[in-house]
Amino acid sequence: KNEVEQSPQNLTAQEGEFITINCSYSVGISALHWLQQHPGGGIVSLFMLSSGKKKHGRLIATINIQEKHSSLHITASHPRDSAVYICAVRLLRGGSRLTFGEGTQLTVNP
Amino acid sequence: DTAVSQTPKYLVTQMGNDKSIKCEQNLGHDTMYWYKQDSKKFLKIMFSYNNKELIINETVPNRFSPKSPDKAHLNLHINSLELGDSAVYFCASSPGGGGVTGELFFGEGSRLTVL
Repeated sequence: KNEVEQSPQNLTAQEGEFITINCSYSVGISALHWLQQHPGGGIVSLFMLSSGKKKHGRLIATINIQEKHSSLHITASHPRDSAVYICAVRLLRGGSRLTFGEGTQLTVNP
Repeated sequence: DTAVSQTPKYLVTQMGNDKSIKCEQNLGHDTMYWYKQDSKKFLKIMFSYNNKELIINETVPNRFSPKSPDKAHLNLHINSLELGDSAVYFCASSPGGGGVTGELFFGEGSRLTVL
């Protein structure tokens, strides 16, 4: 079993919908990253967080360290949000090593 | 200016050949990484260097040899290529070093196809 589990694996939404992608992990971590991989293949870092909540535009990321869970929310979704969203954690004893989830494929239809 | 740049973007080669992928970052970061993304899109760390020093070396065949001539460059050389080496290889960098690292910046990826 992977140390980082994402759900759902695939998500299809209509433009304008509120979207939530979940990430659960089973180990102690020092930080959690949310990444976005565009259809063209490039990877962009969206958030790095170790507690609480961060917001950037229509994207919100939250983390609950006690429950070992993080969520990525997209408000007013748009077709350009279609991408793979990847959760990655930095293990407490892992130094700079990241462990990745398998990704969530999001498709937003117009 | 591209923050993290990799070359080549595409590489098609025959089994048994030796090839290199180059990576350069102009962000002044101390830490650089090589990640492999397989056909199922799963990312996995291969190597990490901090200020030219190897700090992470995952269970990777020794046909893969990273080289960091300076902290802005991390190249990946692969000997005796095998079919299973076909993947997308991503270079990334982050500020800080050792256990204190920050946000990741990725290159665009290098798609390697071994025939």
